[in-house]
Amino acid sequence: SQQGEEDPQALSIQEGENATMNCSYKTSINNLQWYRQNSGRGLVHLILIRSNEREKHSGRLRVTLDTSKKSSSLLITASRAADTASYFCATGDGAGGTSYGKLTFGQGTILTVHP
Amino acid sequence: GAVVSQHPSRVICKSGTSVKIECRSLDFQATTMFWYRQFPKQSLMLMATSNEGSKATYEQGVEKDKFLINHASLTLSTLTVTSAHPEDSSFYICSAGGWWTEAFFGQGTRLTVV
Repeated sequence: SQQGEEDPQALSIQEGENATMNCSYKTSINNLQWYRQNSGRGLVHLILIRSNEREKHSGRLRVTLDTSKKSSSLLITASRAADTASYFCATGDGAGGTSYGKLTFGQGTILTVHP
Repeated sequence: GAVVSQHPSRVICKSGTSVKIECRSLDFQATTMFWYRQFPKQSLMLMATSNEGSKATYEQGVEKDKFLINHASLTLSTLTVTSAHPEDSSFYICSAGGWWTEAFFGQGTRLTVV
């Protein structure tokens, strides 16, 4: 069953603006990951944040995790047209090493960045 | 990052036939691989966990006799859709790794059953 709910479902912005996507989940998690998917293609891993972490950065990406609210956010700063894609959060809610690969995906946010 | 190769990328088959999809970890060994399915404009749903040298673990609602998984080596898992029907048309994607770290996904297979 799908655990993650993402908000918004679709986001349209201009190049240079920041994009924020939110993800909420229902059960306790071991880790939360964000992925990007270009239309009809495979997934690209963006960031992994563990349940004992609150914030992580990678280049123009910033991810926060609030386990008390069971939510996470992905911020893309200074967006580019090439950032246009679907973005998914995925939670690993089992125990042990396989919880990083056995994932429950959110519904996704479709991001469109206009040049 | 690590590379996971999935083949074929697209396949069209006739209703009633079987289709095999391969998932290979190219530069690392994977005792565990995962198979997901994604319907158009929807999210990914985990179908099964593929375990090297043992039976796959299927998620609730996934027919194990229809979706046969074989993980005979540390670098290869296969998913066979048996007696495919149009409702099996979907995007199938595998991942490998994910043992205390992020999993790496293949490019996916677009299956169309006509």
